[in-house]
Amino acid sequence: GAVVSQHPSWVICKSGTSVKIECRSLDFQATTMFWYRQFPKQSLMLMATSNEGSKATYEQGVEKDKFLINHASLTLSTLTVTSAHPEDSSFYICSASPRRSNYGYTFGSGTRLTVV
Amino acid sequence: TQLLEQSPQFLSIQEGENLTVYCNSSSVFSSLQWYRQEPGEGPVLLVTVVTGGEVKKLKRLTFQFGDARKDSSLHITAAQPGDTGLYLCAGGNFNKFYFGSGTKLNVKP
Repeated sequence: GAVVSQHPSWVICKSGTSVKIECRSLDFQATTMFWYRQFPKQSLMLMATSNEGSKATYEQGVEKDKFLINHASLTLSTLTVTSAHPEDSSFYICSASPRRSNYGYTFGSGTRLTVV
Repeated sequence: TQLLEQSPQFLSIQEGENLTVYCNSSSVFSSLQWYRQEPGEGPVLLVTVVTGGEVKKLKRLTFQFGDARKDSSLHITAAQPGDTGLYLCAGGNFNKFYFGSGTKLNVKP
């Protein structure tokens, strides 16, 4: 149980276009999901907390107008990278937990974004 | 700046050797997790520790949570090539978790 699916696995887009990444909890409901960003050979940096039915909470330094997060249902959160630039190229990963958890989260398989 | 600092950042050892990875913070966490990540994939949870001083064993892996709940360690006995990967600690307080700087482990046959 507790499976998180992320789509697409990889995407290449042109500079200036927008890209949407989906994160789904397949067998549980998640009122909260998290979005992380990971550069090569580095750790995961928390970008924002996605809250079902309300606005996302962004970490300091993350542009909320550039990284739009929508958590429209208890099983789906989306991250849209708007007007993407090459420096936005990264590995984006979402996570969720089936309960208000102190016991770790399940991660999606990640999305490799390359902006050319 | 990382909320949690891991050491060492890189570790290359021979199969059969023992190793310890450390995770330190100035913050107190209600729980701390250890994850292992393969290239191109999301992290996979290894263990969660919640009680100060707690020790958990998972086969050849031993995890310890500091008494003050600010630090943790991961000890691997008789490392195998299959243990190769990026090891990440993550500290949290119910709502969100922050990841450590990561330790890249390479176990050579």
